[in-house]
Amino acid sequence: NAGVTQTPKFRVLKTGQSMTLLCAQDMNHEYMYWYRQDPGMGLRLIHYSVGEGTTAKGEVPDGYNVSRLKKQNFLLGLESAAPSQTSVYFCASTSGLHRETQYFGPGTRLLVL
Amino acid sequence: AQKITQTQPGMFVQEKEAVTLDCTYDTSDPSYGLFWYKQPSSGEMIFLIYQGSYDQQNATEGRYSLNFQKARKSANLVISASQLGDSAMYFCAMREALIQGAQKLVFGQGTRLTINP
Repeated sequence: NAGVTQTPKFRVLKTGQSMTLLCAQDMNHEYMYWYRQDPGMGLRLIHYSVGEGTTAKGEVPDGYNVSRLKKQNFLLGLESAAPSQTSVYFCASTSGLHRETQYFGPGTRLLVL
Repeated sequence: AQKITQTQPGMFVQEKEAVTLDCTYDTSDPSYGLFWYKQPSSGEMIFLIYQGSYDQQNATEGRYSLNFQKARKSANLVISASQLGDSAMYFCAMREALIQGAQKLVFGQGTRLTINP
């Protein structure tokens, strides 16, 4: 039982390049989330999913797209990376139970030059 | 919308002392949940403790306890007998409802705790 895993752990991009971050969970959770963490700040929600095939925007969705083709995977895409997207990206999942916390992945550190 | 405020950017404490990290929140929902997370230098987010708004008692988890004062809208984290390994960034967060049962976490800006030997 690996919990929530993220690939890659670290990536450097040039402005305008594209990439996809992969989040995988083996807990059969319905809900999955992508957050970003900028220096000295807490996490902010980018996009989320309430189940396979469904996605929705969070508070900072611009410049990102997501897909959830399989229940266990949630992909975050950057079509044309910008330096403002330099951040640490965290994926989280939960079954949605009332008192349950969100289980976070280890994070992906992204640097856009 | 929910808001979390952590007013202590940094705290320095001697090993074995107790430490209190402050968190105040703002919400109009009668039902809410509050979380504390630890983020060590390695970067992962580690869940510490949860307090529900209708819980009759303050939450405790080992050396961690939550001083929940509902009328004052505060949810301070208390770490007893601090250890060097407690040095980390600590975040207070509140759950906010989204569509179809989804819930996001709204985070404060964090408090960096340093334990001195």
